Amino acid sequence: ETGVTQSPTHLIKTRGQQVTLRCSSQSGHNTVSWYQQALGQGPQFIFQYYREEENGRGNFPPRFSGLQFPNYSSELNVNALELDDSALYLCASSYGRRSNTGELFFGEGSRLTVL
Amino acid sequence: DQQVKQNSPSLSVQEGRISILNCDYTNSMFDYFLWYKKYPAEGPTFLISISSIKDKNEDGRFTVFLNKSAKHLSLHIVPSQPGDSAVYFCAGGGSNYKLTFGKGTLLTVNP
Repeated sequence: ETGVTQSPTHLIKTRGQQVTLRCSSQSGHNTVSWYQQALGQGPQFIFQYYREEENGRGNFPPRFSGLQFPNYSSELNVNALELDDSALYLCASSYGRRSNTGELFFGEGSRLTVL
Repeated sequence: DQQVKQNSPSLSVQEGRISILNCDYTNSMFDYFLWYKKYPAEGPTFLISISSIKDKNEDGRFTVFLNKSAKHLSLHIVPSQPGDSAVYFCAGGGSNYKLTFGKGTLLTVNP
């Protein structure tokens, strides 16, 4: 069973640039969620994709966008990067739109630094 | 609005003793609660969950207690082991997969 994999693991960008982060979901999972974890904070929900459609969004501006592909892998795109976007971006996969237990399977994350 | 609060940023415990991590919440709509453990340079890993209709759930050395009237839950680890040293996140969830996390508590278990 292949777990959740994310790329790149680390990257550095400058303010105003754009970034794309990638995630391969765990085998058999069709739902992908993205979380932002700033330093000293818990993960914050960005959005979720279920069967290639956005299925819920947190309190993040439109410059945070995403995609889910037919193989259920996903991308997170952030435009016009700001210094506060520096964080660990976590991808999590699961099966189905709803859950009785809420268990998510997280990748190791992509550490983004914006200078 | 912080719906899930972990008021202790850190906790230090001796090996073999009990570790108790606490979490408070304000959102009465949560259907379940979960604890995740996170080691440095790794993603969070699921530890244990509890439905909002239960007051206790046990899995080996880990027990989660839920007090709905106080909007409080706790994670007990007995006995604590050095490998348990990690950041522990409490999270609440509803009918979809969106989880609301606390800020985490760093547990250090000393040999």
